Amino acid sequence: NAGVTQTPKFQVLKTGQSMTLQCAQDMNHEYMSWYRQDPGMGLRLIHYSVGAGITDQGEVPNGYNVSRSTTEDFPLRLLSAAPSQTSVYFCASSQPEGLAGAGELFFGEGSRLTVL
Amino acid sequence: AQSVTQLGSHVSVSEGALVLLRCNYSSSVPPYLFWYVQYPNQGLQLLLKYTSAATLVKGINGFEAEFKKSETSFHLTKPSAHMSDAAEYFCAVSPLGDGGFKTIFGAGTRLFVKA
Repeated sequence: NAGVTQTPKFQVLKTGQSMTLQCAQDMNHEYMSWYRQDPGMGLRLIHYSVGAGITDQGEVPNGYNVSRSTTEDFPLRLLSAAPSQTSVYFCASSQPEGLAGAGELFFGEGSRLTVL
Repeated sequence: AQSVTQLGSHVSVSEGALVLLRCNYSSSVPPYLFWYVQYPNQGLQLLLKYTSAATLVKGINGFEAEFKKSETSFHLTKPSAHMSDAAEYFCAVSPLGDGGFKTIFGAGTRLFVKA
């Protein structure tokens, strides 16, 4: 099993450019989420999805867009990149209450983004 | 509202010594509590999870944590540190009944292990 796969692993953007971080999971998990990790701040939730066609905002959603057309995929779009979006981004999947492993987040290996 | 506080952004121990990483939480509802570990250039992986069963939870690699409701704490311990334990550790809280997507993370504690 591949688990949660993120691409690209590294990306450098110029201010104002747009891009999409890809995330795919092969565990048939209902829930998926995007976090950003910044030094000394832990992980902060950007957006999450509880199923195909359903998304919602997390703690730090500004400047980001998501969609969930399939159970497997949950791309994160940066609309107009800013230096403040320089960070490491993690995609995660999880299961709802009542299913095995409920509450546990399964993470991808991360995408390191630098905005100049 | 929920929050997590990890005491100490960096902890250094000698190989073979006790590891103690501190975590305090606040939650208005009964929580799930987690410890995740992150090795360099990798994603986070689950170390252990408390879900309101036994208060002493055993995880992978010899780690364990004790849930103390009266102290709102969930400290992580390991009796004898190994060089391979050097990593960053995150304490996290999630409401019971949630699917994990509203997990709140602490700022992290980086563990250094000296030979």
